[in-house]
Amino acid sequence: EPEVTQTPSHQVTQMGQEVILRCVPISNHLYFYWYRQILGQKVEFLVSFYNNEISEKSEIFDDQFSVERPDGSNFTLKIRSTKLEDSAMYFCASSSAGTGSSSPLHFGNGTRLTVT
Amino acid sequence: AQSVTQLDSQVPVFEEAPVELRCNYSSSVSVYLFWYVQYPNQGLQLLLKYLSGSTLVKGINGFEAEFNKSQTSFHLRKPSVHISDTAEYFCAVSDRGSSASKIIFGSGTRLSIRP
Repeated sequence: EPEVTQTPSHQVTQMGQEVILRCVPISNHLYFYWYRQILGQKVEFLVSFYNNEISEKSEIFDDQFSVERPDGSNFTLKIRSTKLEDSAMYFCASSSAGTGSSSPLHFGNGTRLTVT
Repeated sequence: AQSVTQLDSQVPVFEEAPVELRCNYSSSVSVYLFWYVQYPNQGLQLLLKYLSGSTLVKGINGFEAEFNKSQTSFHLRKPSVHISDTAEYFCAVSDRGSSASKIIFGSGTRLSIRP
């Protein structure tokens, strides 16, 4: 069964550094998402992406964050200047249609980001 | 805006006992409802979903959930749990009418199975 893949599985970076988290969504999917989960807390929505533009973003997704689909397969999340509080598990997800149409999200296994 | 409340952060049960994980939601519009499971060190996996029709929804691994519109609930149940069901379970909701609508997750319930 096709799956969403995320790399790396674990990323350690120093505060203030830029980091790029990579995701390869399922190939025929059109909607892409990033979520994050701070240790022991709930899964929080960051951003949704469709047709090469951001559809919706949360208040967490400030100017330090950006997303990009640089080619036909990758979907990246960039954090420009990491802060300690950015330490979390970041999940990429994709769906074949918007969640409003009941298409479920398929999640990757996540990238654990540790900011020191 | 939607929100999801999972009243129990942890639920310990004995193996082969029944379990119910509670979920309540609030929304000003019609919604889709989901339960996702997260096994240790893994991503989120869809357990089941309610779209329309029968209020009793059956999912994978013997789980089922019942949509109750009047009580705005979507509780998850399993008649007999197994050690392998140890995981975190997330109830989630999305706006029925909006494409590319985000899914909002509850805070999760950690199910721990005792032998």
